[in-house]
Amino acid sequence: DVKVTQSSRYLVKRTGEKVFLECVQDMDHENMFWYRQDPGLGLRLIYFSYDVKMKEKGDIPEGYSVSREKKERFSLILESASTNQTSMYLCASSYPGTDTQYFGPGTRLTVL
Amino acid sequence: KNEVEQSPQNLTAQEGEFITINCSYSVGISALHWLQQHPGGGIVSLFMLSSGKKKHGRLIATINIQEKHSSLHITASHPRDSAVYICAVSRGTSGSRLTFGEGTQLTVNP
Repeated sequence: DVKVTQSSRYLVKRTGEKVFLECVQDMDHENMFWYRQDPGLGLRLIYFSYDVKMKEKGDIPEGYSVSREKKERFSLILESASTNQTSMYLCASSYPGTDTQYFGPGTRLTVL
Repeated sequence: KNEVEQSPQNLTAQEGEFITINCSYSVGISALHWLQQHPGGGIVSLFMLSSGKKKHGRLIATINIQEKHSSLHITASHPRDSAVYICAVSRGTSGSRLTFGEGTQLTVNP
């Protein structure tokens, strides 16, 4: 079974802090994605990566950056957290050549 | 207007009822996906389809490419079916990004 894990299920941070969210997949997927999910807005793509050290902006990249130094790990970075970044963050990965994405359990981030 | 629209946004049913969730999209697609999200957050893929109909247990997904419409049906619904059901479309080559609907919150009461 494909397994996608995220570093924390719940996280509370203060405004201005630098926040790291980590995602690890164990199936050698090339594609990895970071989403945020908000009530009434659904899942929105922040960044995605189709290979090590490659990244592309999604629909809402402002205030975020990403890092992919190893194939299995995709990190989302909030350089200076703000209250409007309070959300559920979901990571996903997919095999090359398919559209089916496998999701991690999500991290509920609260920024105070 | 969103590229992927789902209806209804919320649905409450009694155990045993037949349930239909609808998804309409306004763009060209390569495939349509139905996903399920249980309380707690985890999302699993139920179906990926580009034409016709697929069935898995009590779940049936259909798509009409000409009308740009898909439905997810649940037969003999059960409280464990309570979840958010999400429609998503892929628009390009395989491995491309997905565009998601807002989701339908389904509650099945015993």
